[in-house]
Amino acid sequence: GEDVEQSLFLSVREGDSSVINCTYTDSSSTYLYWYKQEPGAGLQLLTYIFSNMDMKQDQRLTVLLNKKDKHLSLRIADTQTGDSAIYFCAETDYGQNFVFGPGTRLSVLP
Amino acid sequence: DTEVTQTPKHLVMGMTNKKSLKCEQHMGHRAMYWYKQKAKKPPELMFVYSYEKLSINESVPSRFSPECPNSSLLNLHLHALQPEDSALYLCASTAGLGETQYFGPGTRLLVL
Repeated sequence: GEDVEQSLFLSVREGDSSVINCTYTDSSSTYLYWYKQEPGAGLQLLTYIFSNMDMKQDQRLTVLLNKKDKHLSLRIADTQTGDSAIYFCAETDYGQNFVFGPGTRLSVLP
Repeated sequence: DTEVTQTPKHLVMGMTNKKSLKCEQHMGHRAMYWYKQKAKKPPELMFVYSYEKLSINESVPSRFSPECPNSSLLNLHLHALQPEDSALYLCASTAGLGETQYFGPGTRLLVL
């Protein structure tokens, strides 16, 4: 079945850039997503990228997709303490299911 | 408006109680989802409704009973739950199957 992998933890200093990585196995993925989850809250859609794109930028967020290597990354520029959260990578293939990664816990140090 | 609302925010229930979780969206989305999320884990899919019909039931125990009265509303009826069912229950909706999911804030359930 499909699988999505992420590193579990990332620590960065305030003001630095954060890069969160994700790999997936489903070659028929159509959309790939990044969700943010703060403690006790639901999942907030941050951004998504269609599989025929290489890059998408939205303010401080840059998503890079390497379809050949099935690798997705999320770069957060000028990381702030409010960015501390769990970040989930997810993919879907126009099917009925979303496959989520295990989540990367981002800690932003002052 | 990309809002999915869920009520209640918190629920504490005993193992013999019957309760319901409610999810609502007014984006005209035709697919709605229930997920269960344990602490520090990704969401696990429970049910998918498409055009008000149940299209996926991911081997969920019968003590969880979903209901979709109309295209804007999704309920999850709970009966005779176990303490291990304590979790955050998330609702999501999409314009169609496989499209971008928008999540509600969740209901945090504690079963005593």
